Amino acid sequence: ILNVEQSPQSLHVQEGDSTNFTCSFPSSNFYALHWYRWETAKSPEALFVMTLNGDEKKKGRISATLNTKEGYSYLYIKGSQPEDSATYLCAFDRGSTLGRLYFGRGTQLTVWP
Amino acid sequence: ETGVTQTPRHLVMGMTNKKSLKCEQHLGHNAMYWYKQSAKKPLELMFVYNFKEQTENNSVPSRFSPECPNSSHLFLHLHTLQPEDSALYLCASSQDRGGATNEKLFFGSGTQLSVL
Repeated sequence: ILNVEQSPQSLHVQEGDSTNFTCSFPSSNFYALHWYRWETAKSPEALFVMTLNGDEKKKGRISATLNTKEGYSYLYIKGSQPEDSATYLCAFDRGSTLGRLYFGRGTQLTVWP
Repeated sequence: ETGVTQTPRHLVMGMTNKKSLKCEQHLGHNAMYWYKQSAKKPLELMFVYNFKEQTENNSVPSRFSPECPNSSHLFLHLHTLQPEDSALYLCASSQDRGGATNEKLFFGSGTQLSVL
């Protein structure tokens, strides 16, 4: 069984706060690390796919970092807005099978106005 | 029109019923997938189709039968399911660029299945 752990499980912040969450994954057989954002009743939407140790990616107020040697990735949201409320999923890809991602349980973020 | 469309959104079925879930992608991708999310569990891969050929069956019971008639359509045929099969079933697609597996997945909104 391949474990992908996300923490915290849930997070409540005020509008304007900055926040971050963690994804831990196996440090061996690494190929890629995906981050997805999943709003209630909608489709999971890809934020980033990261492949290189030390990678940093940014999309608007959201950014992510990757450490493949120690097996973790951080997702940061700067100046959270109510529309950022969603579940954020990370998924580990060991490159064995096309589309076979190992997902964490997600971090559920609620941003209060 | 969203990139990946799933129908129905909700389905309630008895254990003796036969039903099918449908997925259609409008993105020109050549790979399609079924994922499952049971209550309080992570998303888990069920099947992979690449250029209409099944390339992965993640030890899924035979009461789940996938079908991929072309690169744009994917079905999941259900028969004699158990209550523990109640879950959210998500379809996804991606572009296979010749071996690379770091392509992001495009998901549908899912079918919430309840088996009584």
